[in-house]
Amino acid sequence: NAGVMQNPRHLVRRRGQEARLRCSPMKGHSHVYWYRQLPEEGLKFMVYLQKENIIDESGMPKERFSAEFPKEGPSILRIQQVVRGDSAAYFCASSPLLRLAGIGELFFGEGSRLTVL
Amino acid sequence: ELKVEQNPLFLSMQEGKNYTIYCNYSTTSDRLYWYRQDPGKSLESLFVLLSNGAVKQEGRLMASLDTKARLSTLHITAAVHDLSATYFCAVVEEYGNKLVFGAGTILRVKS
Repeated sequence: NAGVMQNPRHLVRRRGQEARLRCSPMKGHSHVYWYRQLPEEGLKFMVYLQKENIIDESGMPKERFSAEFPKEGPSILRIQQVVRGDSAAYFCASSPLLRLAGIGELFFGEGSRLTVL
Repeated sequence: ELKVEQNPLFLSMQEGKNYTIYCNYSTTSDRLYWYRQDPGKSLESLFVLLSNGAVKQEGRLMASLDTKARLSTLHITAAVHDLSATYFCAVVEEYGNKLVFGAGTILRVKS
């Protein structure tokens, strides 16, 4: 998992504020996944992006959440008007391959832990 | 929709004992992963299993895959305290593009 950089590692927000989480994939990787982990639970898929494209956003809540992966710079997961239920660890993972082809696997970052007061 | 179930969800073991964690999944898949997570940390890849009958071993951990039964096992041999962690299996749906995770098994090895 070395190489996928996420920041901030810890973020505290009050209800109603915005949270922005950043993810820089491993060098050479152009595919980024975001997962959310609630306390004592497994990881839930949120969104899969390729540079400048959203491939699969079936796990994203319909409101307040958005993600992008611009041509230059990190991928960003944005949560508007945060609520206490958004408190979780948000993990980014990257892959060099489309559709995890072959023996492709995901490499995870250290996570960003969001606490909403 | 692909569903992945692990059991047990919590496992307390004595050092030196053997045990198996099970991972069942609901639809056809062409690969399965096992990850380890320490508290407050990221996920460490343990095994990638690609075909029916695949078996991989690393130290005291051995993983196997039966695609016909849609079942993978993670066997722990002679557990040691350092193996205490949460273990996740994750499955990629055939022709799919994302990992679907099980709920995780919290393993505690007692000295």
